[in-house]
Amino acid sequence: GQNIDQPTEMTATEGAIVQINCTYQTSGFNGLFWYQQHAGEAPTFLSYNVLDGLEEKGRFSSFLSRSKGYSYLLLKELQMKDSASYLCAGSGGSNYKLTFGKGTLLTVNP
Amino acid sequence: DTEVTQTPKHLVMGMTNKKSLKCEQHMGHRAMYWYKQKAKKPPELMFVYSYEKLSINESVPSRFSPECPNSSLLNLHLHALQPEDSALYLCASSQEGREGDEQYFGPGTRLTVT
Repeated sequence: GQNIDQPTEMTATEGAIVQINCTYQTSGFNGLFWYQQHAGEAPTFLSYNVLDGLEEKGRFSSFLSRSKGYSYLLLKELQMKDSASYLCAGSGGSNYKLTFGKGTLLTVNP
Repeated sequence: DTEVTQTPKHLVMGMTNKKSLKCEQHMGHRAMYWYKQKAKKPPELMFVYSYEKLSINESVPSRFSPECPNSSLLNLHLHALQPEDSALYLCASSQEGREGDEQYFGPGTRLTVT
């Protein structure tokens, strides 16, 4: 199976750090993407992990453990504009298509 | 130019109408995708074109008909749609359609079927 699970909603405070977790069944996926989607807008690419470990990119970092079927997106120094839905997506299989999780709606409060 | 454009932005159509959604990219990408996204749900893959050939059809009803006239353009022809087909239709493109290729999404067409 290719189920991808992530929390439905999270709330955090401006300036804080938040970690959004994503778990998936290990069969069928080679890599994990994270996308950000503001309401009414298209998803935009944040990160891609295919190897175990942490990838850091400015205020955003993404972690992958392939053996555990686990990934997280870490957002530091939260800003109001970070309020959005964060989509975890698995990539792989015979056709490299993306399979999206249901998304985590993050609300950043002042 | 790292942009995927889609037209129209909004479309309202009746169940007997025929309309088309258009998508364009000039990044030299050879893979293009159509997704359907309902409110508060993730995007669901509909079709993938790789090198202008249909490579994936996710069991989409025949009332949706994709077309890839050339490497920069992707159309989605709509005919005899149902109200439940109302959704945001997203187009995306990627370099080759290989593992790990970042997909660039267009702004979407918000479709309402009455």
